Amino acid sequence: GAVVSQHPSRVICKSGTSVKIECRSLDFQATTMFWYRQFPKQSLMLMATSNEGSKATYEQGVEKDKFLINHASLTLSTLTVTSAHPEDSSFYICSAAEGSVVYTFGSGTRLTVV
Amino acid sequence: DAKTTQPPSMDCAEGRAANLPCNHSTISGNEYVYWYRQIHSQGPQYIIHGLKNNETNEMASLIITEDRKSSTLILPHATLRDTAVYYCIVRVANFGNEKLTFGTGTRLTIIP
Repeated sequence: GAVVSQHPSRVICKSGTSVKIECRSLDFQATTMFWYRQFPKQSLMLMATSNEGSKATYEQGVEKDKFLINHASLTLSTLTVTSAHPEDSSFYICSAAEGSVVYTFGSGTRLTVV
Repeated sequence: DAKTTQPPSMDCAEGRAANLPCNHSTISGNEYVYWYRQIHSQGPQYIIHGLKNNETNEMASLIITEDRKSSTLILPHATLRDTAVYYCIVRVANFGNEKLTFGTGTRLTIIP
């Protein structure tokens, strides 16, 4: 089946630095990928929809200048958390759909900002 | 997309069938019912989806009521590895650019 690879799985960074998270569709092309954030004991919250070759669409309340999304190819989308702060510490998850039906999720990235 | 309602938690004995209910009374005619699960600290895993007919695959069965206002996910022989949060999601299945919106899900605990 379809596989979505997310890297890194875990990252610790200092407050004020930037962190890049990669999401790759390994065996299919994805014109659209999605980025979610999940805080402890909460559900997944959609942050943005990443569209290949065009600007991402952000959900209400998500700062586009802080969470930079680049979808430069049909198999790769990146999320950069800029000037990270401790409140950005969370579990970030990407997903992509092969075709129109089933969405596959990455294994997630645990970001800790110290 | 239509909103779903699930019980916050359920327990099931190992080896028994786990039946997870979902209410989606405002579902539209072109909306599918999807089930995903999330094991702790992992990304969600697709389980099954359906429109109006009952569906079965190697993981589970999905029973959708005739009026489509509710559904039940059935794990026929639950194991400890089925302990997870299960999400019932309703969305239109047309192109792969439609977002999935997660509710609070049901935390299923399999008891040895």
